Amino acid sequence: EPEVTQTPSHQVTQMGQEVILRCVPISNHLYFYWYRQILGQKVEFLVSFYNNEISEKSEIFDDQFSVERPDGSNFTLKIRSTKLEDSAMYFCASGSSGVNNEQFFGPGTRLTVL
Amino acid sequence: AQSVTQLGSHVSVSEGALVLLRCNYSSSVPPYLFWYVQYPNQGLQLLLKYTTGATLVKGINGFEAEFKKSETSFHLTKPSAHMSDAAEYFCAVSEVFGNEKLTFGTGTRLTIIP
Repeated sequence: EPEVTQTPSHQVTQMGQEVILRCVPISNHLYFYWYRQILGQKVEFLVSFYNNEISEKSEIFDDQFSVERPDGSNFTLKIRSTKLEDSAMYFCASGSSGVNNEQFFGPGTRLTVL
Repeated sequence: AQSVTQLGSHVSVSEGALVLLRCNYSSSVPPYLFWYVQYPNQGLQLLLKYTTGATLVKGINGFEAEFKKSETSFHLTKPSAHMSDAAEYFCAVSEVFGNEKLTFGTGTRLTIIP
């Protein structure tokens, strides 16, 4: 069964460093998302991406964040200068076209900023 | 704006007993509603969803949920709990016009007592 994959599973970085979180969505999906979950809190929407551009972004997704689909298979989230409060589990999701809006989630990348 | 409230951050039930996880939503348009399950160190897996049509929705692993518009609720139930049901459960809402972001509740951790 097709699944969304994410790498790495755990990333530790120093405050101020850049990180890139990688996702491989399900191959025929057209809609891509990043969510995050700070420890003990709810899953929060960051950004959605369709047709090579951002469809919607939340207030969390400021200028420090960017997304890219560089090669038609990977979908990346970059944080330019990490802060302590960026420590969280980051989930990638993808969905096919249509109105049933079923999003398939990856296993997540745990980002720890020291 | 959409929101989801999950009553009870922790629920414990005995093996074989009824599972009831509560979810209330707020949405300015007819909602799509979802329940996701998260097992330890794994991503979010879709249990079931309500889009249109029958208000009683059956999902995987014997779970079901009923959409009650008058009560703005989408409670998750399972007649007989199994040890393997121990996990975190998230209710989510999106607007009806497909591929929109999901807004999640804070989650309910379900513990099964042997």
